[in-house]
Amino acid sequence: KAGVTQTPRYLIKTRGQQVTLSCSPISGHRSVSWYQQTPGQGLQFLFEYFSETQRNKGNFPGRFSGRQFSNSRSEMNVSTLELGDSALYLCASSLGQAKGTEAFFGQGTRLTVV
Amino acid sequence: DQQVKQNSPSLSVQEGRISILNCDYTNSMFDYFLWYKKYPAEGPTFLISISSIKDKNEDGRFTVFLNKSAKHLSLHIVPSQPGDSAVYFCAASVAGGTSYGKLTFGQGTILTVHP
Repeated sequence: KAGVTQTPRYLIKTRGQQVTLSCSPISGHRSVSWYQQTPGQGLQFLFEYFSETQRNKGNFPGRFSGRQFSNSRSEMNVSTLELGDSALYLCASSLGQAKGTEAFFGQGTRLTVV
Repeated sequence: DQQVKQNSPSLSVQEGRISILNCDYTNSMFDYFLWYKKYPAEGPTFLISISSIKDKNEDGRFTVFLNKSAKHLSLHIVPSQPGDSAVYFCAASVAGGTSYGKLTFGQGTILTVHP
């Protein structure tokens, strides 16, 4: 069974640009969550999608947005990039059930903003 | 507000001995807890989880203990192996409602297992 796939693995962007990251969840998983990892803040929750609907959102500015497609694949977009957006962006897939369930992470996308 | 805390930034253990990683939480609504292992520049790898209705869960060399009254959980690795050297994160979640898909992570503990 294939794991969670994130593309691209590495990105370098300039301030002010926008970026789109992609995540393909484990087959059968309908929930995709996105996280930002930085040395100072650790792993911070961005948002979660289930069946193409955003069910939950963390405390990030509106520059961070996402969407989910009918095949459960998800994209995350960051507009007007700032230097502080440099981070490892991780997505996690799960069954998305109401009760607790394990989330499985992809390898991440390392975004560097210069 | 750090709702999940791992107060030990690092832990050093001899190969073959027990590694005990600790985690405290403040939010009494948390009802599902997970441990992840992470290498630099990679995604976290799921290790083991525990529901709040249990106080222990075991999977091979890994055992997680939950003490709800103390809002404390721990991960025991026995015996420890050099390949266990990594950063370990505990995470907590609240089932359903407005908390769908959200894991709250601790800051991590760097485990080093010496041969």
